[in-house]
Amino acid sequence: GQQVMQIPQYQHVQEGEDFTTYCNSSTTLSNIQWYKQRPGGHPVFLIQLVKSGEVKKQKRLTFQFGEAKKNSSLHITATQTTDVGTYFCIPRGVNDMRFGAGTRLTVKP
Amino acid sequence: DGGITQSPKYLFRKEGQNVTLSCEQNLNHDAMYWYRQDPGQGLRLIYYSQIVNDFQKGDIAEGYSVSREKKESFPLTVTSAQKNPTAFYLCASRQEVSTDTQYFGPGTRLTVL
Repeated sequence: GQQVMQIPQYQHVQEGEDFTTYCNSSTTLSNIQWYKQRPGGHPVFLIQLVKSGEVKKQKRLTFQFGEAKKNSSLHITATQTTDVGTYFCIPRGVNDMRFGAGTRLTVKP
Repeated sequence: DGGITQSPKYLFRKEGQNVTLSCEQNLNHDAMYWYRQDPGQGLRLIYYSQIVNDFQKGDIAEGYSVSREKKESFPLTVTSAQKNPTAFYLCASRQEVSTDTQYFGPGTRLTVL
């Protein structure tokens, strides 16, 4: 399957600060999916990006797919304690089922 | 979530015993997966099945076995050969031959004493 590097591995922010996690690939991706796993919970699908340069928003979350479709980012504006968890980015194909380590976000109230 | 159930939520077993974790889905998905997650780590693929009566090893299959006799069910057996079985086990499914999302069950936290 396709491999992406996600950075940072960990991020600790003060509540109200912004947060960004990045996914980078050496090859062009057909699409990318983002998942969130709360502590003690299971991964939940957030969004899928398919088009070059695509930008999608979900309230305080902004997802971007690079023009070359080799990178993607998730930006959270004004983090809240409910944003705590691990965020995974995964390129998806028929046989792609591996998850990386993700970015673990902690938020200090 | 999404019609996948795993039971039980917490499971305790003595060392040396085999234990079977259940996973059932009513989403009519072709593909099912088992992942293992250790504290603070990502998900590692144990086994997956793309169709009934067929399954493939993932990255850490040693010490585990699965069966896929029905489309809805994909039980995982943790055998005594698994050196460090204590972990959080997640089952997932998705429609095959597409880029559909994966739906996860709530997970089973296995502790071997």
